[in-house]
Amino acid sequence: AQSVTQLGSHVSVSEGALVLLRCNYSSSVPPYLFWYVQYPNQGLQLLLKYTTGATLVKGINGFEAEFKKSETSFHLTKPSAHMSDAAEYFCAVSDPGTGRRALTFGSGTRLQVQP
Amino acid sequence: DAGVIQSPRHEVTEMGQEVTLRCKPISGHNSLFWYRQTMMRGLELLIYFNNNVPIDDSGMPEDRFSAKMPNASFSTLKIQPSEPRDSAVYFCASSFLARGRANYGYTFGSGTRLTVV
Repeated sequence: AQSVTQLGSHVSVSEGALVLLRCNYSSSVPPYLFWYVQYPNQGLQLLLKYTTGATLVKGINGFEAEFKKSETSFHLTKPSAHMSDAAEYFCAVSDPGTGRRALTFGSGTRLQVQP
Repeated sequence: DAGVIQSPRHEVTEMGQEVTLRCKPISGHNSLFWYRQTMMRGLELLIYFNNNVPIDDSGMPEDRFSAKMPNASFSTLKIQPSEPRDSAVYFCASSFLARGRANYGYTFGSGTRLTVV
């Protein structure tokens, strides 16, 4: 069975600082990987995804993530945090086969950006 | 494209009452997913449909919960009778799943915040 672990339920950074949100997965085969962002009182919005090909993927709002198979990781980064980045971020996985076709989500990381 | 539309946005009901949540997926999407979000348990998959057929309902908490998808453009999640522990935000999401292909990600609705008092 797949699982997703997000290290750190809360991360606080200063405006302009590097953002690093950690995600590790457990899967018998390399899964498809996703990052979603949730702003207060809203649904989840897709930031970026990795399916196949280039392991460094770029998403919206300046975020990017790198799939590292050897580390079973898919950490989310942004070089310079902006106040508008404050939100909750969810990592998710999907079985690339046809077994479980629903996404499995991590527990989320709430990002605070200090002025 | 209006996105995934959920109604109502907020629902407050008394314990024991029936609650019906509604979802309209994106046109052309063939799969629909219901999730529940709570502080304690995070995002939990309740059920998902493919081509209007329930595929995996193992996440439905108990018999008080039921979901239907009578056609490609509408789904309901019903709780009868409702209990305070059902208070949560319920999300609907849709996607297009091609035969033999994995899930490339969903589009979520804005959710329904349910409070059972």
